[in-house]
Formats: sequence, structure tokens, C-alpha cells
Amino acid sequence: DAGVIQSPRHEVTEMGQEVTLRCKPISGHNSLFWYRQTMMRGLELLIYFNNNVPIDDSGMPEDRFSAKMPNASFSTLKIQPSEPRDSAVYFCASSQNRVRETQYFGPGTRLLVL
Amino acid sequence: AQTVTQSQPEMSVQEAETVTLSCTYDTSESDYYLFWYKQPPSRQMILVIRQEAYKQQNATENRFSVNFQKAAKSFSLKISDSQLGDAAMYFCAYRSASNTGKLIFGQGTTLQVKP
Repeated sequence: DAGVIQSPRHEVTEMGQEVTLRCKPISGHNSLFWYRQTMMRGLELLIYFNNNVPIDDSGMPEDRFSAKMPNASFSTLKIQPSEPRDSAVYFCASSQNRVRETQYFGPGTRLLVL
Repeated sequence: AQTVTQSQPEMSVQEAETVTLSCTYDTSESDYYLFWYKQPPSRQMILVIRQEAYKQQNATENRFSVNFQKAAKSFSLKISDSQLGDAAMYFCAYRSASNTGKLIFGQGTTLQVKP
């Protein structure tokens, strides 16, 4: 079975540009999570969806960040405008059930904002 | 709020030997899940092992086992017969069984395996 798919794997952009990260969860999984990993803050949850509905976006750092899940097989995380402090590895994870099942992570997108 | 603490930033082990990584957590809940994830240099997050808090038996997956002490809020990972491929950063993580499913991670422990 294919795991969680993320694209792009690497992104280099200039400050002020719009960045869109993409995620395809494992088929049949109904919960999707976006995490960010930085040296300073470690791994932290940004937002999660259950059955395509955003449940908790309290981890989203500010209005420059937005996430959507238009259907069960696709989600995006958008940063507009991007800033150097957004440089991080962004992970998408999915699970069959919001609470009880294990979350499986994608390979991550390494973002560098110059 | 729940917290997870990994007090060992770095550990090293000789190939074929055994190493234990420490993790403590703080919670007022009685039902939750604990995980160890491995992150090799590729940055992929790979599930190593999972423990349900309501189970007294310690989880085991091949060479990986945990020592779950619920009263002490301790969840250590033991790697037996260490292999070069075990070299990675290891993260301990907590998830409540009662709300969002959000994973709370420790700071990570970098494991070096010496040949």
C-alpha cells in the first residue's frame, strides 16, 4: 500500500512568495494532521482534519497560514506571504481514526524561505 | 497540559549491544497512548512501537521493547542487538485517548551506533 504522499519534497522560495504544500493521505484514513518541525520548537501540530473538516487549527501560527482538505484524498497547506522564520520541515500524517489509531507520516517537505 | 520529556539529547551504543532511551511524561489523564518514532537522516518519521496505557503488558516489536511504568509516568525504549541502521533520532510521543488525537512529542534523542 502507498504511504502518505507529500509534494514537493524540497522547496526553496523567496520571502513574500506564496508556498503551497500538498498531501495525499493513505486511502481509507479519515483523519489528517499537519505538523511542523524546527530546531527551536521541535515537532508541533499545526492543524488536523477529521472527515475533511478542520477540527482544531489552534496550532496554526498566524493568518499567513491556511489549510484545506477539499476531499478525502487531498490536503494543502498554504503560506502567504512566506517569511524566513517559516523555514522548517512540514509533515503530513494520517490515521484511520482520530484518536485510537496510529498516525503514519509522510516523508515531509523541507521548506527554505530566503 | 500534557508534556513529554526526553532527558538524553544524545546516546551512543556499540553495534550488537543494548541501549535504553528514556522518556517521561506528565498527564492527569488515565487513558492515553504512547509511541516511539524513529527519524533517520532522510527525515522520514517511522513508527517503532506503540503502547496503550490501559495495557499492563509492555509492547515488543522484534528487537525493540518498552518499559512502561504508568505510576512513574515513564516510557523507555530498549533496543537490543543494535544495528548500524538503528542510528537515528528517536522521538517519544503522547496522545490522549479523549480528544483530538494530537501527538505531543519530546525533544528527541540522537542515537549513534558504533561499528
